[in-house]
Formats: sequence, C-alpha cells, structure tokens
Amino acid sequence: GAGVSQSPSNKVTEKGKDVELRCDPISGHTALYWYRQSLGQGLEFLIYFQGNSAPDKSGLPSDRFSAERTGGSVSTLTIQRTQQEDSAVYLCASSFGLGFYNSPLHFGNGTRLTVT
Amino acid sequence: KQEVTQIPAALSVPEGENLVLNCSFTDSAIYNLQWFRQDPGKGLTSLLLIQSSQREQTSGRLNASLDKSSGRSTLYIAASQPGDSATYLCAFDSNYQLIWGAGTKLIIKP
Repeated sequence: GAGVSQSPSNKVTEKGKDVELRCDPISGHTALYWYRQSLGQGLEFLIYFQGNSAPDKSGLPSDRFSAERTGGSVSTLTIQRTQQEDSAVYLCASSFGLGFYNSPLHFGNGTRLTVT
Repeated sequence: KQEVTQIPAALSVPEGENLVLNCSFTDSAIYNLQWFRQDPGKGLTSLLLIQSSQREQTSGRLNASLDKSSGRSTLYIAASQPGDSATYLCAFDSNYQLIWGAGTKLIIKP
C-alpha cells in the first residue's frame, strides 16, 4: 500500500481479554515503531524494530505487552489480560532506516483501543 | 538526558497571521529533526525533515529551521488558515533514539 496501514481502526474489548493489533508498514521500510497515545497526551514509546529484531523493548509498560515482526514487514502488538488503563490510541510508524536519517517517519492512523 | 520542550503549549490566532512555533532541546548531539502535525483522532503527518547537515527546509507556507548550537528549532507558518488548526509536534533523533516534544495545539480562528 501507499502508506502505513493499521488494523483494526477501533477495538472495544472487555477487561481481561487479549487483543492483537496489526501494523503493515510501507514496503521496503526496515524500521518500525510502536507508540501509545492516551487522550490529550503526548506519544509514549513502546518498542521499535530494525528488520525483525527489537533492540529496544524498554518502553513496553508491562509483561502483558509483547510485539513481533516477521519477514521484515508486518508487525503485531499483543496485549494480554487487558486492563482499563490500556485504553489509548496505538500508533505505528515506519521509515527506511533508524532515526530520521535520509528518511522521514510515516505514521498509520492508529488503532483506538477501549477496554470496558 | 535529552529533553524536548515545545512552547507555547497552545496558541490561538486569527486567520491570515504569520506565526512561529518553537521547539528546544537540551543536547546538541542530535542528528535530524522532523516536524509533524496531528489532527484530532488521526495519526501524525510528516511536514518537514531537516537533516543534521541542513539548517532549514521549506514546503509551501511552512519553513522549519534548525540551530543546533542554540538547541532550537522553529516552525514558521505564513498566512495561516483555519485548515492549519492541529497539534504540531517536533521530534529529534539522537543516536537512533527518537525524542518527542509534547506538541503545540494551534487554533486558527476564521
């Protein structure tokens, strides 16, 4: 596709359920980032991938959060046993390389997660 | 620790005015800078990317500058329009870590 695609766009789930969020980056982009944005707040870094490797997982809030990337393309962010404080918009971004070197960062429209 | 500050946090101006948004950082060891806009309920849209060796970039009515010695970047918007209303964020990459400001919420009044 022409841009970063995230699915679903909206997800409502019951507390305690597991959810899986998907990100399809721009073709050829090796770097992929996941961020979380709570209502009215700034971006909270979760994790980034260089290829299929995740060198920095320091932003994951708890061990209920995990992410993987396969084939250097699609990434999934999984939240187990969801809690109400997990409610937020989850944003994915990709670029040709790490940082902004020679390549701007492109964002998807996000997945709005609501935990009831 | 690298920190990024965006001032003001919110700004409301009449249509047609020229305006400047500010972004300051504490560590001059930054590589590249990018300005984004975010519309309510949407993801972020890249506006301008300034690489480390550059001092400014222009796109239409937007001009962004980078002065690493003073630890500052500015986004200049000329002849503002109601459609410019959004939250504007700046971000730096420093050794491959992306450091984000909290954003400036801009409202352009018709």
